[in-house]
Amino acid sequence: KNEVEQSPQNLTAQEGEFITINCSYSVGISALHWLQQHPGGGIVSLFMLSSGKKKHGRLIATINIQEKHSSLHITASHPRDSAVYICAPTTGNQFYFGTGTSLTVIP
Amino acid sequence: EPEVTQTPSHQVTQMGQEVILRCVPISNHLYFYWYRQILGQKVEFLVSFYNNEISEKSEIFDDQFSVERPDGSNFTLKIRSTKLEDSAMYFCASSEMTGYTEAFFGQGTRLTVV
Repeated sequence: KNEVEQSPQNLTAQEGEFITINCSYSVGISALHWLQQHPGGGIVSLFMLSSGKKKHGRLIATINIQEKHSSLHITASHPRDSAVYICAPTTGNQFYFGTGTSLTVIP
Repeated sequence: EPEVTQTPSHQVTQMGQEVILRCVPISNHLYFYWYRQILGQKVEFLVSFYNNEISEKSEIFDDQFSVERPDGSNFTLKIRSTKLEDSAMYFCASSEMTGYTEAFFGQGTRLTVV
């Protein structure tokens, strides 16, 4: 069973493009994390949100709790944004993980 | 900036041996988590820990696994009698509270069982 579905699974973009990654989940949650995993394997939390929208620099995350959907947007994408982006809704005690979206930004 | 640290970064062990993976969470955090990621697969939740006891565990977290906070700073994952399929990257994370606060991840320990 897949509690979390991400799309697309793979994404290649030209530098400067606007990118959207989508996440749909089926579990009832208290919040949702967007995580970034670099080729070396380390995981960094980009956002934690429970409603509305958050913005950090070129990254924007939105969530609609009623529709059980979240999106991560990257404006003016750059090759250093190349990584795997993981949606991870949480009930508080447990995190559920999407399979990730592998993003490659080409110069 | 505070960070979660994990040691060792890479551990190789023989099948059947016991391993202990160590994590130092951020000092004022109260919730601790272990996850694993088998090569090429998605991250999987193992266990969450609060107030010196397990809050929730996944079906992966069977009797082979145990967690402990032995001294108020370290948070350990013990794997008894390792199997080849335990080979994975193991991540520790911590958060100040549950649910509504951000979780911080360590860099992971790559466990290789041979």
